Formats: sequence, structure tokens, C-alpha cells
Amino acid sequence: KAGVTQTPRYLIKTRGQQVTLSCSPISGHRSVSWYQQTPGQGLQFLFEYFSETQRNKGNFPGRFSGRQFSNSRSEMNVSTLELGDSALYLCASSFGQSENIQYFGAGTRLSVL
Amino acid sequence: KNEVEQSPQNLTAQEGEFITINCSYSVGISALHWLQQHPGGGIVSLFMLSSGKKKHGRLIATINIQEKHSSLHITASHPRDSAVYICAVKPGKYIFGTGTRLKVLA
Repeated sequence: KAGVTQTPRYLIKTRGQQVTLSCSPISGHRSVSWYQQTPGQGLQFLFEYFSETQRNKGNFPGRFSGRQFSNSRSEMNVSTLELGDSALYLCASSFGQSENIQYFGAGTRLSVL
Repeated sequence: KNEVEQSPQNLTAQEGEFITINCSYSVGISALHWLQQHPGGGIVSLFMLSSGKKKHGRLIATINIQEKHSSLHITASHPRDSAVYICAVKPGKYIFGTGTRLKVLA
């Protein structure tokens, strides 16, 4: 069974641009969560989706948004990029709600110049 | 004060040593997760605990819900155990500890 796939793996953008990251969960998994990891703040929760509905949202500005499709694939979008958005963005999937064991993708490393 | 505190922040051990990493939290939770992150970023879920103790190979995790404390033990540590270990709790949305950076020397 394929693992969680995140694309792209690396991304370089400039301030003011927008970016879309993609996450394909493990087949059969209906829950997808997104996290941001930076050296200064560590791991922080962004969103949680289950069956196309956002179930939880972290404390991030409205520039960060996401969605989940009917096939459970998820995307997150960051608009008007700032230097501080440079981070590793991780996606994790689980079969049920995210209280279950989560399986993480390799992440997308975003650099904002 | 952070809602999830881990100790120690950094740990260096000799191969074969018994290792303990601690996690204390101040919020009500239904479960606690232990994660392992290797250099390069990949994260693996090691355990999800709601009570008692779980064991997987050389790894043992315990939790005391009343005391709001969990420990991760590694028996007979090996250099391949070198990683960052992170605990996470979910009172609504996930809150992560700052991680314990473990280095096991051969």
C-alpha cells in the first residue's frame, strides 16, 4: 500500500506569491491533517479534514487555507507569502478521526525569498 | 508555560544504555502520541496511548492520565535510534512538545 504522498517536495517562492501544496493520503484513509514545522516554533497544527469537512483549525492567519476532495486528497494554499512562511509543511492521514495513529508524508520544504 | 513540556531537550547516550524521555502536559486529553523524526524530516508515529503502557520492540511508552505525564523508554539503545522524539496531545487540536534530540554514540 502506498504511503502518504506530498508534492512537491521542495519549493522556492518569493514574497507576495501564493503556493498550493498537495497531499495524497493512504488509500482508504479519510482524515488528513496539515502541520507546519519551523526551527523556532517546532511543529504546529494547521488544519484537520475528515470527509471533505474541516474539523479543526490551528492559530494561523487567513492566508492559510485548505480543502479536501471527495477522494480524500487534500490541498493547502498560502497566499501573499511572507518570509516567515518558510517551513517544512507536513501532511498526515489516518483511517478515522485523527485520534487514530497518523501516517506522515515526507513533507514539502517551502523557502520564501 | 507551554501546555506540553518535554525533558530533556537534548540527550547523548552510549550504545546499549537505557533511555527515558519525559512528557508532561497541562490540558485534558483523550490520547497522547509519541513521534520520531529522523534527520531529513520524516516523521513516524511510534505510539498512541490513552492509558497504561505499550511496547513495540525496544520501545516502551507509559502514560499516567491522573498525573498528566508520559514517558518513552528505549532499551538497549542503538545509534539508529538517534532522532528527535516528540510528544503530542489533542485537547481539540494537536499541541506538540518541543522535542527531545537524542544522539546515541557507538
